[in-house]
Amino acid sequence: EIVLTQSPATLSLSPGERATLSCRANQSVSNYLAWYQQRPGQAPRLLIFDASNRATGVAARFSGSGSGTDFTLTINSLEPEDFAVYYCQQRSSWPGTFGQGTKVEIK
Amino acid sequence: QVQLQESGPGLVKPSETLSLTCTVSGGSVNSHYWSWIRQSPGKGLEWIGYIFYTGATNYHPSLKSRVSISVDRSKSQFSLRLRSVTAADTAIYYCARECRHGTCLLDGFDIWGQGTMVIVSS
Repeated sequence: EIVLTQSPATLSLSPGERATLSCRANQSVSNYLAWYQQRPGQAPRLLIFDASNRATGVAARFSGSGSGTDFTLTINSLEPEDFAVYYCQQRSSWPGTFGQGTKVEIK
Repeated sequence: QVQLQESGPGLVKPSETLSLTCTVSGGSVNSHYWSWIRQSPGKGLEWIGYIFYTGATNYHPSLKSRVSISVDRSKSQFSLRLRSVTAADTAIYYCARECRHGTCLLDGFDIWGQGTMVIVSS
């Protein structure tokens, strides 16, 4: 089972700032990586698939990059609704595992 | 638009069977992959398994001996059964539609139910 490690666990930022979230796999997942956003009391929402492609309806301020074992989710100019928990998920091998999440909180 | 809704008991006794149903509205189960995912404070998000519309299934190795997923196309529903539950199975259970290249233009869980909390306790 592939292990995904997300860092940092918590990111404290102000609206308008840039958030940079990391996801590292313990073996290569090629570009088969997705990012999800989860707001309190809600189900996760798909943001990015195949490491760098935005899902339908996702704002352009969200971008993903990376391949192999190191991936980054960048949120340019944080909006109030972006303060949430973000999870990466590898879809390279079964079972597709999730990272433990990064919480982006208001500073 | 396609929507998913989980239903089932919120409390299950240890050693009994957890049974949940996901109803698909605004679409059908006659395409795509349909999954169950759970979330607990201790284990985070865990993909339990999926069923393809053909009936093919795949289950998480750690749960394989206790889990089954089935589909009822006539009702546009798919269901989860998890046998011999313990407190470790206490979690929020989500049903989700999984898109994969070849079935969709994207890859991932693109539609989720709201989730249902299941507590295992006597």
